[in-house]
Amino acid sequence: DAGVTQSPTHLIKTRGQQVTLRCSPKSGHDTVSWYQQALGQGPQFIFQYYEEEERQRGNFPDRFSGHQFPNYSSELNVNALLLGDSALYLCASSLYRGPGNTIYFGEGSWLTVV
Amino acid sequence: DAKTTQPTSMDCAEGRAANLPCNHSTISGNEYVYWYRQIHSQGPQYIIHGLKNNETNEMASLIITEDRKSSTLILPHATLRDTAVYYCIVRAPEAGTASKLTFGTGTRLQVTL
Repeated sequence: DAGVTQSPTHLIKTRGQQVTLRCSPKSGHDTVSWYQQALGQGPQFIFQYYEEEERQRGNFPDRFSGHQFPNYSSELNVNALLLGDSALYLCASSLYRGPGNTIYFGEGSWLTVV
Repeated sequence: DAKTTQPTSMDCAEGRAANLPCNHSTISGNEYVYWYRQIHSQGPQYIIHGLKNNETNEMASLIITEDRKSSTLILPHATLRDTAVYYCIVRAPEAGTASKLTFGTGTRLQVTL
């Protein structure tokens, strides 16, 4: 049973460029959320996708956008990259319904903006 | 979601039990207590969660006080591989909010020889 998988694991982009990160949820999960973790800090919630729609959003600008596909996989897009966008980007999956449903994380994508 | 308070850091000798406390005095009746850990440069790893009763799995035990205002994560026989940042998170179970976790600063556990 594959867990949450993310790609790429590491990438370097130039300020002003755009980046797309990809995530496949754990088998059987229908909800994907994305988190940003800057160095030395805890993960911060970006947004959540369910049924191909953004359901919740954290305090992130519109430069951060996402998409969920019919097979539940997801993409995170960041436009007009800033140096401050350098971080570990984590994908997490879960079931949308069900009490106490557990959230599982992938290993993350390390983004460096130069 | 309720706020949690954890010590910044703790040390534990290898082979001994590691007891990591968490205060969540504003927890609501339907909110669960979740524990995750994050080993350096890896994604957060789910450990255990509970609502009212004490819970145990192959990784750890979770002790929740009767008033649910605090809890303790117990790693019964800590090893060097348990060195990590441990996050205590309180979370509501309703659909639509289920995916959002609010991470605090966590407890940095250092297991030593």
